[in-house]
Order: sequence, then C-alpha cells, then structure tokens
Amino acid sequence: NAGVTQTPKFQVLKTGQSMTLQCAQDMNHNSMYWYRQDPGMGLRLIYYSASEGTTDKGEVPNGYNVSRLNKREFSLRLESAAPSQTSVYFCASSEVAETGTEAFFGQGTRLTVV
Amino acid sequence: AQSVTQLDSQVPVFEEAPVELRCNYSSSVSVYLFWYVQYPNQGLQLLLKYLSGSTLVKGINGFEAEFNKSQTSFHLRKPSVHISDTAEYFCAVTRLYSSASKIIFGSGTRLSIRP
Repeated sequence: NAGVTQTPKFQVLKTGQSMTLQCAQDMNHNSMYWYRQDPGMGLRLIYYSASEGTTDKGEVPNGYNVSRLNKREFSLRLESAAPSQTSVYFCASSEVAETGTEAFFGQGTRLTVV
Repeated sequence: AQSVTQLDSQVPVFEEAPVELRCNYSSSVSVYLFWYVQYPNQGLQLLLKYLSGSTLVKGINGFEAEFNKSQTSFHLRKPSVHISDTAEYFCAVTRLYSSASKIIFGSGTRLSIRP
C-alpha cells in the first residue's frame, strides 16, 4: 500500500512564484489535512477537509488555498510564495473508526522560497 | 477548541536510562490522544493512542503513555531507551467521534540519546 503520497519531495521557488503541492491517499479516508512544520513550532494545521467537497481553515491559512479534488486528492496552492513559507509541508489523512481517528502522513515536501 | 502543550522542547538522556516526555492537553469535550514519532528526514508515524478504557496505553518500540483526566495529561514513558529512539516526539489531540474534527499537534520534544 502506498498510503499517503506527496509530490514533489523538494522544491525551490523564487519569491512571488506560485506552485501546487499534490497529495493523494489510497486508504479511502474521508478526512485530509495539510500541515507545515517549522523548527520549534511543531506541526501547524493550514487547512483540512473533513469530507469530499468541504474544506476549512486551520491555524495558519493565510497565503494558501486548497482543493479537495475528489476523495483521494487534496492539493495545497501557494499563489505568491514568500520566504516565510519556507517550511516542510505534510499531508495527512484519517478516518473516524471505533479504533480511533489516527492520522497517516506522507513523507513531506521540503519547500524553500528565496 | 482543543490544544496541546509539550512541556519540554528537548530531553537529553543516557542510553538505557528511563525517559518521560510530558504532554498536557486542553479541551471542553472528550478527546482522542496520540503520540507520534518522527525520525530524521521522515514523516510521522503513530506510537500509541488513547481512546477510552485503561489509562495505561502500550505502543510500539516499548513506549507507553498514561492518561490522567484530572491533570489533563498524557505523558509518554519508556523504561530503558536506545540510541535508535533518537527522534522528535509529538503529542496530538482530536475530538472524540467527530468526523469534522481537526487533529492538533504540540510543538514537539526532541529526544537525544547519549551513549
């Protein structure tokens, strides 16, 4: 099983450029998430999608947009990249079950904005 | 809303010594609690989770955590650590039985093991 797949793994952008981070899961989960990880700040939620067709802002949504394309895919778009968006981005998915709602994570995208 | 506080940003310990990583949470509703581990340059993987029942939860790699409702804590412990436990550890919380709930993470605790 692939689990959660993120592309690309690494990216360097110039300030003002745009890009889309792709995420796909093959576990038939309803919920998907985008987090950013910065040193000393843990994982901060950017956006999440509780189900296909719905998206909600997390803790740090400014400068980002998302699209829940279908149940499998959840993309994150930076319209005009800024150096403050240099970070490691993680996509995750989860499903409510009697055994819990644990999240499964992708391997991350390391983004540098210069 | 839920929140998580990890009280130590870094914990250095000697190999084969015991370790405790502290986590406190805040929530007005019942929650699930988790501990995740992140090895260098990797994603996060689940160590253990608490839903209900016994307050002592056992996870992978010899880790366990104890849920304390009165102190709103969920501390992670291991009686004897190994070099391979060097990683960053994250405590997380989400609402119980809610498909629309966010999963909120703490700021992480970096565990470094000295030989």
